[in-house]
Amino acid sequence: DSGVTQTPKHLITATGQRVTLRCSPRSGDLSVYWYQQSLDQGLQFLIQYYNGEERAKGNILERFSAQQFPDLHSELNLSSLELGDSALYFCASSAGLAVNNEQFFGPGTRLTVL
Amino acid sequence: AQKITQTQPGMFVQEKEAVTLDCTYDTSDQSYGLFWYKQPSSGEMIFLIYQGSYDEQNATEGRYSLNFQKARKSANLVISASQLGDSAMYFCAMREGRGSNYKLTFGKGTLLTVNP
Repeated sequence: DSGVTQTPKHLITATGQRVTLRCSPRSGDLSVYWYQQSLDQGLQFLIQYYNGEERAKGNILERFSAQQFPDLHSELNLSSLELGDSALYFCASSAGLAVNNEQFFGPGTRLTVL
Repeated sequence: AQKITQTQPGMFVQEKEAVTLDCTYDTSDQSYGLFWYKQPSSGEMIFLIYQGSYDEQNATEGRYSLNFQKARKSANLVISASQLGDSAMYFCAMREGRGSNYKLTFGKGTLLTVNP
């Protein structure tokens, strides 16, 4: 158990819908990362927050947004869902921003868009 | 150009033998970190081992060791005494130290199968 929690574990929804994925980092970790894992794109970085502020952005679609709350949990909002958004979404957390800070991954949320 | 290259889509090893999973990387940063993660069929990502660009010694964690060859830009994972539970997908990843680029960049992974 990495100490990072994600809910829900599975999510099945229809095209055009909106969903929210939730992540709680390890106790004491200030930095939260979101990654998407799909068969064709592999593991891709989406976005990172540190202590409530957005710090880095990757290949995140405009239909996707995220935020980190004062209690450090984070939510990833996916809207106008398309079939291609079906993927495993991971949240990871790390203590800080140093290059050697390990990122500990949550169990993931498997999103299926029908 | 790919930043992380894992050239072995699949590998097979006999139980109790050692196996090396290859990883080469591309960066112009002097400060960077290299990570290996294991992803079993259940889907979670498990951190295995870390090597910093300035570390002079190869990293080791139990049965895992990292063969770091900086000049060749390679960071191969060595698993000794393979166990059936080692069967999983293995990902090499890099974190570069420049600017605000805090993300991990992953390779495409190597699927390791341990045979009894």
